[in-house]
Amino acid sequence: DGGITQSPKYLFRKEGQNVTLSCEQNLNHDAMYWYRQDPGQGLRLIYYSQIVNDFQKGDIAEGYSVSREKKESFPLTVTSAQKNPTAFYLCASSIGLGGQGAWPQHFGDGTRLSIL
Amino acid sequence: GNSVTQMEGPVTLSEEAFLTINCTYTATGYPSLFWYVQYPGEGLQLLLKATKADDKGSNKGFEATYRKETTSFHLEKGSVQVSDSAVYFCALSDQGQAGTALIFGKGTTLSVSS
Repeated sequence: DGGITQSPKYLFRKEGQNVTLSCEQNLNHDAMYWYRQDPGQGLRLIYYSQIVNDFQKGDIAEGYSVSREKKESFPLTVTSAQKNPTAFYLCASSIGLGGQGAWPQHFGDGTRLSIL
Repeated sequence: GNSVTQMEGPVTLSEEAFLTINCTYTATGYPSLFWYVQYPGEGLQLLLKATKADDKGSNKGFEATYRKETTSFHLEKGSVQVSDSAVYFCALSDQGQAGTALIFGKGTTLSVSS
């Protein structure tokens, strides 16, 4: 079955440590996204990518970095510069971005990141 | 800019009650509208969508009608079940602006008791 796989499901980070969250999709989608979800705040966009080797900052990109070397993969690194990283992180993909039709996003099951 | 506003929750209902979750939007272009559902500990799943004015999206007994005159896309269900307990998100995609991502509301928590 096609879908989006996020790993790990739970992740713990020590102070001052960088961690990388994995996101892989086999839907052949061009666009991929990372969101952060905090209680009562809905989803906030961190980064998104329309195509391989290209990505754009979202609303809360500070303290995060991404890469898009392959169409299937869009890993997110939470750096030590992100002072409040504890949250639920969701990866998504879609056929394209706005301007090309009604492209719904497909979501992974998320990674919950906590600080030790 | 574009935005989505949802009614604040939590919404607490008894089984078989009627459900309405309000969603209004502002958009500079021609939005497509979506409802997503999130069950505890999971990602979001697309529930329904509508791509132009007066379109009605429907799925699993849920419905929403794209009302351009009131800039609304309210979610309704005639008889809720305990299994409908989840967080519901309204979202829009601006078809007139290339290279933009979905914009989500803050989510509305629904709790249904038997």
